[in-house]
Amino acid sequence: DAGVTQSPTHLIKTRGQQVTLRCSPKSGHDTVSWYQQALGQGPQFIFQYYEEEERQRGNFPDRFSGHQFPNYSSELNVNALLLGDSALYLCASSLPARDAFFGPGTRLTVL
Amino acid sequence: EDQVTQSPEALRLQEGESSSLNCSYTVSGLRGLFWYRQDPGKGPEFLFTLYSAGEEKEKERLKATLTKKESFLHITAPKPEDSATYLCAVHRGGTSYGKLTFGQGTILTVHP
Repeated sequence: DAGVTQSPTHLIKTRGQQVTLRCSPKSGHDTVSWYQQALGQGPQFIFQYYEEEERQRGNFPDRFSGHQFPNYSSELNVNALLLGDSALYLCASSLPARDAFFGPGTRLTVL
Repeated sequence: EDQVTQSPEALRLQEGESSSLNCSYTVSGLRGLFWYRQDPGKGPEFLFTLYSAGEEKEKERLKATLTKKESFLHITAPKPEDSATYLCAVHRGGTSYGKLTFGQGTILTVHP
């Protein structure tokens, strides 16, 4: 049984560019949440998708957007990248309001 | 606003030296408290969920307990492979839809 998968593993971008990160949830899970983890910090909630709609959002600007597809996979898009967007981006999947399982993350570096 | 504070920030132990990690929380209507283990550069690995005060769960050398204000992760006779960052998170009920609020983590290093 495959767990949560994310792609790519690493990504290097320059300021002002746009990036798309991808997540496939654990088999049987229909809810996907995205988190940003800066070095030495705990993960910060970005948003959650369920039934292809954004159901809840954390304190992140509109430059951060997402999408969920009918097969429950999800994308995180970040526009107009800033140096401060450099972080480990984590995807977590679950059933609604149940235990969340995390993927390996995508390390984004903005130069 | 939900708050989670973990202590200590870093803990160094000798192999076999038991200890505890603390997670203090402030949340309205706690629905669950979660413990995760995270290795450097990797995603968090799920360990436990605790739902109500007095609940305890065990897994190998780890035991998690919960009170109305804090949770402890007890590590008995740790081994070097237990070295990792341990994260605590809370889930508030109501319309939080499973959003997790994390602490900053405790970095555990176990020396052979």
